Amino acid sequence: EAGVTQFPSHSVIEKGQTVTLRCDPISGHDNLYWYRRVMGKEIKFLLHFVKESKQDESGMPNNRFLAERTGGTYSTLKVQPAELEDSGVYFCASSQDTRKNIQYFGAGTRLSVL
Amino acid sequence: GQSLEQPSEVTAVEGAIVQINCTYQTSGFYGLSWYQQHDGGAPTFLSYNGLDGLEETGRFSSFLSRSDSYGYLLLQELQMKDSASYFCAVIDSWGKLQFGAGTQVVVTP
Repeated sequence: EAGVTQFPSHSVIEKGQTVTLRCDPISGHDNLYWYRRVMGKEIKFLLHFVKESKQDESGMPNNRFLAERTGGTYSTLKVQPAELEDSGVYFCASSQDTRKNIQYFGAGTRLSVL
Repeated sequence: GQSLEQPSEVTAVEGAIVQINCTYQTSGFYGLSWYQQHDGGAPTFLSYNGLDGLEETGRFSSFLSRSDSYGYLLLQELQMKDSASYFCAVIDSWGKLQFGAGTQVVVTP
């Protein structure tokens, strides 16, 4: 069974540009989460999808970030326009059932905004 | 506010036992999870405590005391491959994880 996959693994862009990150969760997992780790800080929650619906987007930092999950399968996270403080590692995780309390993480996308 | 506290680094020799403590102050507590992350890799689930007490999974055990807002991860028979970052994380009823800053475990020969 394939794990959670994210791409690109690395992205280097200039301030003001747009970047789209993609996450493919484990097949059959209804729950999909986005997190990010900014340099030197803890991993922070961004948002949670249940199938195609946003259940909680309280962690999204501002309206430059837009997440979608088309058809309840893969998800994208777009940053437009990117700012320097957006640099960090963006993780995606999926779970089959929140009651099982196990989230499977992807290896992350390392975003560098110059 | 909401916070989790864990030590930043622990160093131990192979074969030793390491305990990583985690204290938390959060709302919406459902349970405490532990994740391991090797450099550049994906965080990997290790253990979960929803009720008070000890959960054992091979060489790793985790403990929770809800009344004390405290938990720990115990790593036994340390191996070189256990060198990694370990995160405690409070989980809410929807599965949202709130992470601590992580503990870097360094295992020496």
